[in-house]
Amino acid sequence: GENVEQHPSTLSVQEGDSAVIKCTYSDSASNYFPWYKQELGKRPQLIIDIRSNVGEKKDQRIAVTLNKTAKHFSLHITETQPEDSAVYFCAAQTGGGNKLTFGTGTQLKVEL
Amino acid sequence: EAGVAQSPRYKIIEKRQSVAFWCNPISGHATLYWYQQILGQGPKLLIQFQNNGVVDDSQLPKDRFSAERLKGVDSTLKIQPAKLEDSAVYLCASSSGTGGYGYTFGSGTRLTVV
Repeated sequence: GENVEQHPSTLSVQEGDSAVIKCTYSDSASNYFPWYKQELGKRPQLIIDIRSNVGEKKDQRIAVTLNKTAKHFSLHITETQPEDSAVYFCAAQTGGGNKLTFGTGTQLKVEL
Repeated sequence: EAGVAQSPRYKIIEKRQSVAFWCNPISGHATLYWYQQILGQGPKLLIQFQNNGVVDDSQLPKDRFSAERLKGVDSTLKIQPAKLEDSAVYLCASSSGTGGYGYTFGSGTRLTVV
């Protein structure tokens, strides 16, 4: 089955700096890669996603890049703000079953 | 649109007791998932339903966990008997697509087994 690894497990940045979270996946058939933000005690919420026919996608301060050859994808947050502090999960979806395999999460802390 | 509804929000039980969780997906979403999220880890799929049929239950501990979605709408997840390691947040999610779609998660049920 699919295996998703995520790094780093914790990340501290100063407000206004950029943050990058990286994930690798094992199944070359995976074709959809969403990112979720989870605040303490709350549900995971989809913040951005990318499909395997696209190399990069951007939405305001967040962007995701995908390298299918290397089987890795990354989340980029620019001009970080304190409200960006949360746990971020990457995930990979394989085939038509819709099953998402999640990474282990990155605790992002944006310091003033 | 209304989100994914789950209840209860919190549950504390003693080990060896039984517990049940309920989920009502977004209207019209054919696919429903139950995930287990242990503290500090990513969600792990327990079971996936397509309408009222099971698509994937390969990671469901079937000796103690069971789930059903009898009418293809809401679903229940049961644990009997519970173990200490079952302490986790149980997330229900639903999706409408057949591929390339993210999920909408419910708020989850936080289970503590003491």
